[in-house]
Amino acid sequence: DAGITQSPRHKVTETGTPVTLRCHQTENHRYMYWYRQDPGHGLRLIHYSYGVKDTDKGEVSDGYSVSRSKTEDFLLTLESATSSQTSVYFCATGWAEKTNEQYFGPGTRLTVT
Amino acid sequence: DAKTTQPPSMDCAEGRAANLPCNHSTISGNEYVYWYRQIHSQGPQYIIHGLKNNETNEMASLIITEDRKSSTLILPHATLRDTAVYYCIVRVDAGTSYGKLTFGQGTILTVHP
Repeated sequence: DAGITQSPRHKVTETGTPVTLRCHQTENHRYMYWYRQDPGHGLRLIHYSYGVKDTDKGEVSDGYSVSRSKTEDFLLTLESATSSQTSVYFCATGWAEKTNEQYFGPGTRLTVT
Repeated sequence: DAKTTQPPSMDCAEGRAANLPCNHSTISGNEYVYWYRQIHSQGPQYIIHGLKNNETNEMASLIITEDRKSSTLILPHATLRDTAVYYCIVRVDAGTSYGKLTFGQGTILTVHP
């Protein structure tokens, strides 16, 4: 457990509204990641950060933006939510020195109606 | 990163060893084999990783064939709490790849009483 919290844990929102998910870590890990998980697709990387204000796109970044103004916080924003963004979102941080292990948060279940 | 192939599902009796195979025939010399698992609704959890040699930790053992084209994760005494989706991931060193993980479909392991 790397002290990762995600908020909110559950959210229902309407199509077209902006949504921001927050990931907070207490381990001072440099790297942070946002994944989404959907049935039939497994986990897919949305965006990642390799330092404060340093971010890059993952494999499914369209429709998402991120920001990292502090080491401990990584925000994922859906500028205008669509039903295809209904998913479970996991934040992760990395890495452990010996294993390069990533640590995952508890997830946020987002439903876009 | 090299592609991996895993059986979609496996069963195991409680107390017996669970042997989960993974094929990674296109693995490169600098790619590691990682195993993660995801218990229902939780974030994935690191289990073990290796490059060439067999590895063991408190959770599991990892056996990598000499040609590195396949590997087996062994849970020596499976319990009901080991019921989960197990992901085999091949990846270069985290420092080279920013630690990004590419998840496949994994193997659903069901441990029966």
